[in-house]
Amino acid sequence: NAGVTQTPKFQVLKTGQSMTLQCAQDMNHNSMYWYRQDPGMGLRLIYYSASEGTTDKGEVPNGYNVSRLNKREFSLRLESAAPSQTSVYFCASRANGYTFGSGTRLTVV
Amino acid sequence: GNSVTQMEGPVTLSEEAFLTINCTYTATGYPSLFWYVQYPGEGLQLLLKATKADDKGSNKGFEATYRKETTSFHLEKGSVQVSDSAVYFCALRNGANSKLTFGKGITLSVRP
Repeated sequence: NAGVTQTPKFQVLKTGQSMTLQCAQDMNHNSMYWYRQDPGMGLRLIYYSASEGTTDKGEVPNGYNVSRLNKREFSLRLESAAPSQTSVYFCASRANGYTFGSGTRLTVV
Repeated sequence: GNSVTQMEGPVTLSEEAFLTINCTYTATGYPSLFWYVQYPGEGLQLLLKATKADDKGSNKGFEATYRKETTSFHLEKGSVQVSDSAVYFCALRNGANSKLTFGKGITLSVRP
């Protein structure tokens, strides 16, 4: 099915471990986004990429890095996970409207 | 800057009750306004939108009217169903190439 695919769906990390969240879209969209969702906080933008080869910080970028590997893929990396990064992470892409992935639920213990 | 304020939740209603979820915004110029819905275990889906003052967005029995004079975009439905149980987010985008700004979201639970 066309859309935004995120992997993994669930992950548990120990404090200090690293991991990469993967996101791919097959709609030929230029813009891609990473959000985190926390109770009572709504969705907050971590990083975004307006086009292949460009990335920019959003509202809460600290502790994260991103890579826009090609037009389809936009990954989010946690180099040294902290409990404060326990959250649900959503990737989205945009043409006229936004399409969201189904999310990655990350727990850092 | 841009911001979106939603009423505090959660909201619990009986089936067939009337629903209103309040949303107000702060933005310069003329933003586009959106309601997104997130069903349990899923990502966000666009529910409806309005791009200029006095526009009414509607979908699946839900409606919201863009009120520039009160900077509001309240979501309403005349008769909710159990299947409407979800988290609802109000959002704005200020400019065609700008990013979405979300409200905090509100959880709606509908009892049979």
